[in-house]
Parts: sequence; C-alpha cells; structure tokens
Amino acid sequence: QITLKESGPTLVKPTQTLTLTCTFSGFSLSTSGVGVGWIRQPPGKALEWLALIYWDDDKRYSPSLKSRLTITKDTSKNQVVLTMTNMDPVDTATYYCAHRPRFGNWFDPWGQGTLVTVSS
Amino acid sequence: QSALTQPASVSGSPGQSITISCTGTSSDVGGYNYVSWYQQHPGKAPKLMIYDVSKRPSGVSNRFSGSKSGNTASLTISGLQAEDEADYYCSSYTSSSTLFGGGTKLTVL
Repeated sequence: QITLKESGPTLVKPTQTLTLTCTFSGFSLSTSGVGVGWIRQPPGKALEWLALIYWDDDKRYSPSLKSRLTITKDTSKNQVVLTMTNMDPVDTATYYCAHRPRFGNWFDPWGQGTLVTVSS
Repeated sequence: QSALTQPASVSGSPGQSITISCTGTSSDVGGYNYVSWYQQHPGKAPKLMIYDVSKRPSGVSNRFSGSKSGNTASLTISGLQAEDEADYYCSSYTSSSTLFGGGTKLTVL
C-alpha cells in the first residue's frame, strides 16, 4: 500500500522560504520510472501543479514558478523536499504531494495535504 | 501554459448521466493520450478516477468513463449517485509540465 504524508510549517511570513517534506512508503524512488510530484490548491480554488522529480533525479517545474522552486529527493529516507522562496500571501494553499506511477502520467495516490498560510 | 478549460458547474438527477468537458490545445490534451481525471470531495485529497484518457484504476466504478476528441477530453458519469457530488479536475501531460483544469463542481439534484 502506497502512502504519502506532507509536513512543514503551517504559517510562514511574507518573503520567507517555505520548506515542505513529503515522506512516503510502499514504493521506492530508486525504481525506474517512478516519480513524486507537488500540487497546491488555494482555498476554494483549483489545483495547480508545482514540481515533479523522477527516480533518475530528472526534475520538472511549473514554468510560472520555476524561479522560486527547488525539488530534491532523499531515496534512503523515502522523502522528497520542496522549497519555495519569497513566499507571498497568494501562496496560501493546501500543498499536496503525490505518487507518479512507473512510467505513468498521472498522480495516484495523493497525500492528505498540508495547509500553509502566508501572513505577517 | 494556461490551465485546461472546464465548465464551472454541472448538475444532474440521480440515475442520469452527465459529461464534463476539458479543453486544451494540441500541445497538451490533443497531443498526448495522457489525460487523467480526479474527484475531490470537500476537505479531502483528490482521487484518481481515470488515467490515459479512458482507463479506470482498480476499484473505480465502471459508471465513470473517459474519452477524447481532438483537443477536448470528457468525463462521463452514468447512473448518477448522491456520492458522486464533488469537484472534478482534468489533467494533461505536456512535454515539460503537467496541467490541471479549473475544476467542475458536480451537483446531484
């Protein structure tokens, strides 16, 4: 059974850097074709894809946020970390991590999500 | 890259069928058979309902089906049930990223 769980601060101040950790079980990020992605959802709004990292350390970023995002993995710890710099109140959202199946182009399953509020 | 276009809302009565459209471009929906659909109930994480345009994951009811024509993908739910009331999002692979639609709120009357 694959599970993922997001962790990190619930409140960050404007201009600060957000660091979120996705801890997963039930699969290995060293398995060929597998990936982990980050997606966010502002309150009452739509899903927005942020970043994706593959087993071979290939990384993809949302073009609109690329300059602010960094995604890394620690295969030994079964963790993926997303950092987002220069946080703004518009970045207030629930942040999800999700499993990208082997050579698949969808996300399944998703973590429960973590709400991050940006406010001074 | 812009988000994929979905109707803001659709509704139907129990037992009826509804279809939600998802319109993109030849660079995303039209260019690949990699459209997926997610169901999201309030306060819950999204759940995969359809992948690769028309494939259903194990455990998803066969009342859910997907299709694509040109740059528009569609999700059809037949035999509507009260528990189908939720938000639905389409998603498409592109050569460099992943796109989501704006979401559609399904109301079961």
